[in-house]
Amino acid sequence: GENVEQHPSTLSVQEGDSAVIKCTYSDSASNYFPWYKQELGKRPQLIIDIRSNVGEKKDQRIAVTLNKTAKHFSLHITETQPEDSAVYFCAAHAGGTSYGKLTFGQGTILTVHP
Amino acid sequence: EAQVTQNPRYLITVTGKKLTVTCSQNMNHEYMSWYRQDPGLGLRQIYYSMNVEVTDKGDVPEGYKVSRKEKRNFPLILESPSPNQTSLYFCASRDRARTEAFFGQGTRLTVV
Repeated sequence: GENVEQHPSTLSVQEGDSAVIKCTYSDSASNYFPWYKQELGKRPQLIIDIRSNVGEKKDQRIAVTLNKTAKHFSLHITETQPEDSAVYFCAAHAGGTSYGKLTFGQGTILTVHP
Repeated sequence: EAQVTQNPRYLITVTGKKLTVTCSQNMNHEYMSWYRQDPGLGLRQIYYSMNVEVTDKGDVPEGYKVSRKEKRNFPLILESPSPNQTSLYFCASRDRARTEAFFGQGTRLTVV
């Protein structure tokens, strides 16, 4: 089945700096890659996603890139703000015989210092 | 309001006492899933369902059961809970496979 590895597990940056979180996946049939943000004590919420026919997608300060050949995708947050502090999860939607299954990475705790 | 509702939010129980965590969504979504969240391990999928009466195992299905008799409901059943099932549980639903997953509020389960 699909395996998603996420790095780093913790990330500390100064306000205004950029933050990058990287994920790798194992199943070449995976075709949809969302990112979720979970604030302390709350449920995960989608912040951006990318499909396998696209290499990059941006939404204001957030961007995601996908390298299908290398089977990795990354989340980029520019001009970080204290309210960006949260746990971020990447995920991969399986194709093939596991179609419908959404596998998450282990999560990255992002701390933005004022 | 579109939402996924889990109950209960908090539960403390004893080893071996059967329990059910309910999950209901009002968005007519086809896909529903259960995850457990443990520190350092992320969100691990327990079971998922692609439609009524269609369910499949996720990555950590041992000790859990599910059923999908109606499109809106997807209960998680622990027939004989054990302390290693102490965790934070999330239910989620999606309209189609490659779309946003909406999560419930979470259920904090403690098995003593």
